[in-house]
Amino acid sequence: DIQMTQSPSSLSASVGDRVTITCRASQNISSYLNWYQHKSGKAPKVLIYAASTLQSGVPSRFSGSGSGTDFTLTISSLQAEDFATYYCQQSYSTPLTFGGGTKVEIK
Amino acid sequence: EVQLLESGGGLAQPGGSLRLSCAASGFIFSNYAMSWVRQAPGKGLEWVSGISAGGGTTYYAESVKGRFTISRDKSKNTLYLQMNSLRAEDTAIYYCGKGRVAVLATPVDYWGQGTLVTVSS
Repeated sequence: DIQMTQSPSSLSASVGDRVTITCRASQNISSYLNWYQHKSGKAPKVLIYAASTLQSGVPSRFSGSGSGTDFTLTISSLQAEDFATYYCQQSYSTPLTFGGGTKVEIK
Repeated sequence: EVQLLESGGGLAQPGGSLRLSCAASGFIFSNYAMSWVRQAPGKGLEWVSGISAGGGTTYYAESVKGRFTISRDKSKNTLYLQMNSLRAEDTAIYYCGKGRVAVLATPVDYWGQGTLVTVSS
C-alpha cells in the first residue's frame, strides 16, 4: 500500500495568513493526489484533484502543487470558515490511502 | 444536484451484521465508481471499499476483507455495504462517496452526510 504522510498534524493561524500543508507519498504517484476539507459533523469536501485542479465552486484562495512524491496545499489568505481538518489522498492505486490529516485552527 | 443519502447505521453487537444503503440522485449512477469511507472516533479518514461503475471490480481494505461486501443496484440507484462479523473497531461514521470517473482509482467528488455505526455489547 502507498503510505501518505502529512505535515504538520495541526497548526494555528490568523485570518489573512498564508497557510501551507505538505503531503508526501511513499512512492511516485505522478499527479494522482487529491485534497479534502472536513468539518466536524459535515460531509468531507474535495478541494483539489489531480494535484492542482480546483474543484468547481471551491474558492480560488485554495491551490495545490507538486508531482511524484511531494505535494502542497496552500490557502493564500485564511478565512474563518477554513477552520477544518485537511486530508490528502492518493488515487494512483488501490487502496486509495489518506494522509493522517492536518487540523487548522484559527488564532 | 448530486445527492447521496446513507441509511442503515445503528447499534450492533460484536459478531452482528448491518447493511448500509446509499441512495443516489442527480447523476447517472451507472457511469461512476462508488466508495465507502469511514471515520472512527478521534481518527482520520479510511477508504473501506470501492466498486467500479459496472460493478465488475471491487476493493476492500484489509481490515474488512472477508467480512464486508459492497454492491450496487442500478435499477434503484443505490449503493450497499453488507457488514458481517462486526467488531468494536468497526465503530465509525460511514460515508458514501461518488467517484469522478468509472474506475476505482478516482477521487471522491461528492459525499453523503454519513451514517453512524456503533458496535458494542
